[in-house]
Amino acid sequence: DVKVTQSSRYLVKRTGEKVFLECVQDMDHENMFWYRQDPGLGLRLIYFSYDVKMKEKGDIPEGYSVSREKKERFSLILESASTNQTSMYLCASSAGQLRSPLHFGNGTRLTVT
Amino acid sequence: AQKVTQAQTEISVVEKEDVTLDCVYETRDTTYYLFWYKQPPSGELVFLIRRNSFDEQNEISGRYSWNFQKSTSSFNFTITASQVVDSAVYFCALKTSYDKVIFGPGTSLSVIP
Repeated sequence: DVKVTQSSRYLVKRTGEKVFLECVQDMDHENMFWYRQDPGLGLRLIYFSYDVKMKEKGDIPEGYSVSREKKERFSLILESASTNQTSMYLCASSAGQLRSPLHFGNGTRLTVT
Repeated sequence: AQKVTQAQTEISVVEKEDVTLDCVYETRDTTYYLFWYKQPPSGELVFLIRRNSFDEQNEISGRYSWNFQKSTSSFNFTITASQVVDSAVYFCALKTSYDKVIFGPGTSLSVIP
């Protein structure tokens, strides 16, 4: 089974802090994704990566950056956390084919105070 | 425009009843995949089933079945003899390229014992 691991289940950070959310997958998947999930807004794509060092903006990239130095690891960075970034963050990976489903991690619930 | 609509926000059923979750999608692409995911209270989205745009054969897998109708752009998902463990939020998703996955807003299913 595919395993996608997010480093933290819960995080509490202060406004202005730099925040790193880490995600690791063990299936040699080419594609990795970061979503945020908010009540009433569903899942929104922040960034995705289709290869090492490659990244593409999703629907809501403002205030975020990403890093993919190794194929298995995809990091989401909040340069200066703000309260409106309080949310559930979901990492996912998939193989490169159209038929490949996304495999999700458990999520990180981030609270910015 | 590409869009996924799940008109049912919340559904409640009594255990052992059958329940159908509706999904309607919009796309101009001729090649695509449709997926259903389940998100239990623990938070991790789990892939359930998929269907490609060329195969309209309906399928059954255990207590799950799905009905794909291209003429109405619908991809409905049925759980037979529902159980309390089926309580979750269910997401329909449309994938038109390796990097483009559009999720519906989700349907929250409560199965009452």
